[in-house]
Amino acid sequence: DGGITQSPKYLFRKEGQNVTLSCEQNLNHDAMYWYRQDPGQGLRLIYYSQIVNDFQKGDIAEGYSVSREKKESFPLTVTSAQKNPTAFYLCASSISLVGPDTQYFGPGTRLTVL
Amino acid sequence: GIQVEQSPPDLILQEGANSTLRCNFSDSVNNLQWFHQNPWGQLINLFYIPSGTKQNGRLSATTVATERYSLLYISSSQTTDSGVYFCAVKSGTYKYIFGTGTRLKVLA
Repeated sequence: DGGITQSPKYLFRKEGQNVTLSCEQNLNHDAMYWYRQDPGQGLRLIYYSQIVNDFQKGDIAEGYSVSREKKESFPLTVTSAQKNPTAFYLCASSISLVGPDTQYFGPGTRLTVL
Repeated sequence: GIQVEQSPPDLILQEGANSTLRCNFSDSVNNLQWFHQNPWGQLINLFYIPSGTKQNGRLSATTVATERYSLLYISSSQTTDSGVYFCAVKSGTYKYIFGTGTRLKVLA
């Protein structure tokens, strides 16, 4: 089955630690995205990538980093510089960044800082 | 940047009732999607509808791009329709802007 997988489903982090969230897609999509969702809120864009080895900052990139070494993978690292990282993180993909495109989402990772 | 407003923010229905959710946006858009976020957090695509009308079972959507709004209709609601409904728009950029959602609860 084609789709987007995210792992882990739940993640607990101590203050001062970096953690990496995994996102993998087998839809052969070029574009991938990371969003953050806080309770009762909509989604805010952290980073996006149009092709391998290229990515751009979204609206709230501070304290986060990404890589895009493979078309199917777009991991997100939440660094210790992110002051309030507790949130729900969603990964998405689409055929491309431009033109008509439908975004498809993974199941999400809930990150809690202890 | 473009603003996206959804109404109502919260909605409670009895099973079997119909409802209309609205999404207003402040500028012209070239892409618009409706999503349902289930209680476990999964976002499900409902419609890709930058203009016109589409139907899928008990759900239908209409976007009037010239008047900058989109409507999502839910007929004969079921408890499984509960969750949050998001509208997301793209306007000449590489990113979608999400509204804050309509939280729907359908009572048995």
